[in-house]
Amino acid sequence: QFHLQESGPGLVKPSETLSLTCTLSGVSIGPYYWNWVRQAPGKGPEWVGHVTYSGSTNYNPSLKSRATISVDTSKNQFSLTLTSVTAADTAVYYCATYLAAPRESRWYFDFWGRGTLVTVSP
Amino acid sequence: DIVLTQSPDSLAVSLGERVTINCKSSQSVLFTSNNKNYLAWYQQKPRQPPKLLFYWASARNPGVPARFSGSGSGTDFTLTISSLQAEDVAVYYCQQYYTDSRTFGPGTRVDIK
Repeated sequence: QFHLQESGPGLVKPSETLSLTCTLSGVSIGPYYWNWVRQAPGKGPEWVGHVTYSGSTNYNPSLKSRATISVDTSKNQFSLTLTSVTAADTAVYYCATYLAAPRESRWYFDFWGRGTLVTVSP
Repeated sequence: DIVLTQSPDSLAVSLGERVTINCKSSQSVLFTSNNKNYLAWYQQKPRQPPKLLFYWASARNPGVPARFSGSGSGTDFTLTISSLQAEDVAVYYCQQYYTDSRTFGPGTRVDIK
C-alpha cells in the first residue's frame, strides 16, 4: 500500500525557517517527481515545487528563492525548507506525486499525503 | 504563470439536480503534439486532501462515479455532475499541468439547497 506522510512543527515564528519532511512507504524514491503543494485557509492549492530522485528541483517562482526541496534516498524521504516565513505562509502543506509517469515533470497528482497544518505566528 | 478562473464561486442545488462548473485558462493548455489538454479536476472535502476526478480534461479516474463528467478544450473546460448526491458536497478545483509551474483554480463550493 503506497502512503505519503508529512511531518514537522505545526507552529513557526515569523522570519524563521519552516522545515517539513515527507516519508514514503510502499514505494522507493525511484525515477519519480516528488512535490510539495500547500493550501492557505479558504484558498485553492498552490504548487510549491518538486524534486527528483537525482536531486533536480523546480520551484514556484512566487516563492522567490525561499524554498528548497531535497531528497534522502537512504531514508526514503524528501523535505521542504522555507525561509523567512510570514503569516502568508500559513497553510496546510501536502506532499504529492504521480507514479504513472516517471521522468515526466508535467503530470496530474493522483497521490497525496494527509497534509500538515503549519501556522506562522509569534 | 497560467491563471485559472472558475465560475461560479459557489452554488447550492437540490438533490438530483444537475451541477455545472466552469474553468477558464489564461492560455491554451492543449498540447498540439499529442492533442491532449493538460487539465485536471479535483474534489476536496473538509480536512481531506484533494481527490483526483479527471485528467486530460475528460478521462475519468477509476472509482469516480459515472454521474461526473469532464469536457472542454483549449482554454474552456466544464465539470458536470448530472444528478447531485449528498456525498458530492465539496469544493471542486481545476488544475493545469501544461507548465512545470502547475496552477490551480480558486475552487467552486457545491452545497445542497
